[in-house]
Amino acid sequence: SYELTQPPSVSVSPGQTASITCSGDKLGNKYACWYQQKPGQSPVLVIYQDSNRPSGIPERFSGSNSGNTATLTISGTQPMDEADYYCQAWDSSTVVFGGGTKLTVL
Amino acid sequence: QVQLQESGPGLVRPSETLSLTCTVSGGSISSSRYYWGWIRQPPGKGLEWIGRIYSRGSTYYNPSLKSRVTISLDTSKNQFSLKVSSVTAADTAVYYCARVYDVDYPIDYWGQGTLVTVSS
Repeated sequence: SYELTQPPSVSVSPGQTASITCSGDKLGNKYACWYQQKPGQSPVLVIYQDSNRPSGIPERFSGSNSGNTATLTISGTQPMDEADYYCQAWDSSTVVFGGGTKLTVL
Repeated sequence: QVQLQESGPGLVRPSETLSLTCTVSGGSISSSRYYWGWIRQPPGKGLEWIGRIYSRGSTYYNPSLKSRVTISLDTSKNQFSLKVSSVTAADTAVYYCARVYDVDYPIDYWGQGTLVTVSS
């Protein structure tokens, strides 16, 4: 089965740039999307189809996808961005999630 | 604005069948060209896709759960349901219902989630 691999944790200082990676075989040939999940809440879509932001998502969130790696970048990270982030792609008509990355802003 | 709300027992005995319902408001599940799906998240762990059902009734399941999972529609109530048979403690999780337009599209609406604990 298809697997997506994320680092368990990433730390960033407020105002700096955070990058969270998601790796999978030929992931660049698929669409990747990203969800943000805060404790006790449902996931929220922050990036879809590699690099598009849904309405209401701040411009500091951006995404890219090439080769075997998709990347979520948060520029000027704010304390409110501290959360778990999950990448997601489709394989064989099935949704596949990455294991999630805990972003700590300190 | 579409809203989804899960409901069902919060405690299920081992070996029994887990049953959940998702009520959709803000749109008709039978007239829309969307898939309606279920995702779960064990406490402290990541997300796992369970499966989806099209508004016309066709279903697609995660191969790892396919033998124990059934997703169905009740268009008269604008609801869709999940059944997981022969549950064990490993099925303890927050269960989310969700909407997705099609393959290669993201999950755009999620329910608030409901915790189901499998325990005797």
